[in-house]
Amino acid sequence: DAGVIQSPRHEVTEMGQEVTLRCKPISGHNSLFWYRQTMMRGLELLIYFNNNVPIDDSGMPEDRFSAKMPNASFSTLKIQPSEPRDSAVYFCASSLLAGNIQYFGAGTRLSVL
Amino acid sequence: RKEVEQDPGPFNVPEGATVAFNCTYSNSASQSFFWYRQDCRKEPKLLMSVYSSGNEDGRFTAQLNRASQYISLLIRDSKLSDSATYLCVASGNTPLVFGKGTRLSVIA
Repeated sequence: DAGVIQSPRHEVTEMGQEVTLRCKPISGHNSLFWYRQTMMRGLELLIYFNNNVPIDDSGMPEDRFSAKMPNASFSTLKIQPSEPRDSAVYFCASSLLAGNIQYFGAGTRLSVL
Repeated sequence: RKEVEQDPGPFNVPEGATVAFNCTYSNSASQSFFWYRQDCRKEPKLLMSVYSSGNEDGRFTAQLNRASQYISLLIRDSKLSDSATYLCVASGNTPLVFGKGTRLSVIA
């Protein structure tokens, strides 16, 4: 299996622009997670899906962030408009079930100037 | 109180040393526990699961103390390649909760 695939690996954008991060989970996994990691706050869970349905989005910082999972093999995290404080590494992870071992993608390193 | 707490370190140890990390969790209903390893500028990867009876994988030993709600990781005969951040993880009825990690530097 190819593992969790994220794109792009790096994104540099200007404040106010829309950013879309993409994730392909491991085939057969039913749960998908979006995380943000910074030095100050560590790994923060933003949102997770079970069987393509958003279960808990309480970690989403504000309305500028949205996530979708239109099918079992694809998810997006969108930031609109982006701000410099959104600069971080964003990880996508998947697991068979929500409480099981999670497998992470390589992450997207986002810089908002 | 944070759900999973770890000493951030850094722990700077010489090659060959034994080093131990502890972590505490607040949710007494947590059922599954893990240690993940994260190398610089890489994604977290599962190092090992933590079982109630304790478990060992080569130089690594993980233990769980449910009464005191803490998890430990022992690394024997440290190698330079063990330098990384180690994340303690617990789960309950919700997805995995990650600690902020403990940074280990093994020095030649």
